[in-house]
Amino acid sequence: LAKTTQPISMDSYEGQEVNITCSHNNIATNDYITWYQQFPSQGPRFIIQGYKTKVTNEVASLFIPADRKSSTLSLPRVSLSDTAVYYCLVGDYNTNAGKSTFGDGTTLTVKP
Amino acid sequence: NAGVTQTPKFRVLKTGQSMTLLCAQDMNHEYMYWYRQDPGMGLRLIHYSVGEGTTAKGEVPDGYNVSRLKKQNFLLGLESAAPSQTSVYFCASSWTSGGLLLNTGELFFGEGSRLTVL
Repeated sequence: LAKTTQPISMDSYEGQEVNITCSHNNIATNDYITWYQQFPSQGPRFIIQGYKTKVTNEVASLFIPADRKSSTLSLPRVSLSDTAVYYCLVGDYNTNAGKSTFGDGTTLTVKP
Repeated sequence: NAGVTQTPKFRVLKTGQSMTLLCAQDMNHEYMYWYRQDPGMGLRLIHYSVGEGTTAKGEVPDGYNVSRLKKQNFLLGLESAAPSQTSVYFCASSWTSGGLLLNTGELFFGEGSRLTVL
């Protein structure tokens, strides 16, 4: 399983764009990159997934360079409710039972 | 549609006692997982199951046993609880196409079970 590295914490202010980068140097050809969000006392929640280039949904964007050794989760115009822990996961979900290592995640604190 | 339900939500045990955590999902998912999360840390995979009647070890399986007798249920057992097993336990499930179709492998989590071992 590919190991991921993320910043431990980040601070931002309401209305700003936040970019969280994840390093995954040993990503395999069949691996996808998935980001989860976790609020206190809740289980993680799926945000976005991608394989290469850029993926966008109603919540976030995911940028993946050509070498796929890193990825950046972009949250546009954050609000106080975006304060949470964000996890980057790498794994082959089609054939590998979805086993992934969560790591310690990035604690994002949004200030007013 | 309840999704993933864990029982109990809170439990206090004494060292050496045994208990079972129950996870139930109503989404007909093949894969189910048990994780533990210690304060300030990420989730670590304890055991997982790729289908009814099958189980496999994850990252931190020692001290735990699991069973998947029915597709919708995944049980996590502690035979002799230790203070080091004080944690929040999360169950998750996911769908798979078995490689026939592309799927995200999105994990659906329960609300967690907080276990304290004295």
